[in-house]
Amino acid sequence: EIVLTQSPGTLSLSPGERATLSCRASQSVSSNYLAWYQQKPGQAPRLLIYGASSRATGIPDRFTGSGSGTDFTLTISRLEPEDFAVYYCQQSGSSPRTFGQGTKLEIK
Amino acid sequence: QVQLVESGGGLVKPGGSLRLSCAASGFTFSDYYMSWVRQAPGKGLEWVSYISSSGSTVHYADSVKGRFTISRDNAKNSLYLQMSSLRAEDTSVYFCARGYQYPQHWGQGTLVTVSS
Repeated sequence: EIVLTQSPGTLSLSPGERATLSCRASQSVSSNYLAWYQQKPGQAPRLLIYGASSRATGIPDRFTGSGSGTDFTLTISRLEPEDFAVYYCQQSGSSPRTFGQGTKLEIK
Repeated sequence: QVQLVESGGGLVKPGGSLRLSCAASGFTFSDYYMSWVRQAPGKGLEWVSYISSSGSTVHYADSVKGRFTISRDNAKNSLYLQMSSLRAEDTSVYFCARGYQYPQHWGQGTLVTVSS
């Protein structure tokens, strides 16, 4: 099973700042099958990025995914108030599919 | 538009059984793999199971293997999760999602509570 470790656990930033979230895999993620989701309280996850760097439909271009192999990054260039949420990475290169434990992005 | 609506959650005693349903609309259900993902209260996401478009291929997390069964009825545009031998640690919101790689469409979830 591929274990995904996200860091930091909590990130405190202000609107307008840049956010950098990390996801490290215990082994290489096949074909960069790595996705990022955003989740707000009481809501279902929202797909942001798939294939490590492709934005999902309707996702603003301030969200950028990068990385390959075992190290992946989600960057939010200029934080908007609606971006404060929990972010999860997820791999689907092998079974079982696994998620990281999440990074909580909170308002400073 | 794509809609996924889960139902069937509730309170069940340890060792009991429950069947979750997911009603799909707004797309050709029989064309898509489907998945169940769960989230324990205040915790992260866990992929539970997925099923191929025809139903011939299924996959389970080790934590539910042998206890949960995923199935689908393409004529009824419905996905199911039969859960048995339930444990306290199965307490979660269960989401149904379209796809098995990067689900873009999710239901709002149904809460399953396992407690005596």
